[in-house]
Amino acid sequence: KNEVEQSPQNLTAQEGEFITINCSYSVGISALHWLQQHPGGGIVSLFMLSSGKKKHGRLIATINIQEKHSSLHITASHPRDSAVYICAVKDNYGQNFVFGPGTRLSVLP
Amino acid sequence: SQTIHQWPATLVQPVGSPLSLECTVEGTSNPNLYWYRQAAGRGLQLLFYSIGIDQISSEVPQNLSASRPQDRQFILSSKKLLLSDSGFYLCAWAHVNTEAFFGQGTRLTVV
Repeated sequence: KNEVEQSPQNLTAQEGEFITINCSYSVGISALHWLQQHPGGGIVSLFMLSSGKKKHGRLIATINIQEKHSSLHITASHPRDSAVYICAVKDNYGQNFVFGPGTRLSVLP
Repeated sequence: SQTIHQWPATLVQPVGSPLSLECTVEGTSNPNLYWYRQAAGRGLQLLFYSIGIDQISSEVPQNLSASRPQDRQFILSSKKLLLSDSGFYLCAWAHVNTEAFFGQGTRLTVV
């Protein structure tokens, strides 16, 4: 079974700072997802990656398949970025997700 | 467009009462459907997933059951709720190698 770890567990940043959240997994995957969960609980999918790098606005996600590692970067962070960021991987059969424990980000004005 | 609806958003139920949470998907066919639970301060735990009508797999033994009576409808049920069933329940759908889409969740409090 895949084990998914995230670091850091909690992160507090000042507005405008560059933020990096890391995710590592133990077994080969078909895809990795980065999710955002706001305090109300709803989850939004930010990225799905199987290789390389993706960018959407101030968010950048990268994945290194050989090292079984992915990073989520937020440039010019803003208080509205405050949320829990969750890494989830799909196994090579593509049926189920395994979720990381999440990284709680607080961006202070 | 592809959307997912989950209701209700919040629910307070007494111990021993039944539960029915419903999730419906629009804009796609034959999706993989999932129910997750998130206990306070914990990560998401897979409860059930379904690859087709009446095809349900359970990940953990529990007081809950799931059904998929139609292709785009996924229902989470319990005959008698326990205090430990309190938590945040999320429905999701995905196809193999596609984005995952999540409902808004149901916050269940069993009192």
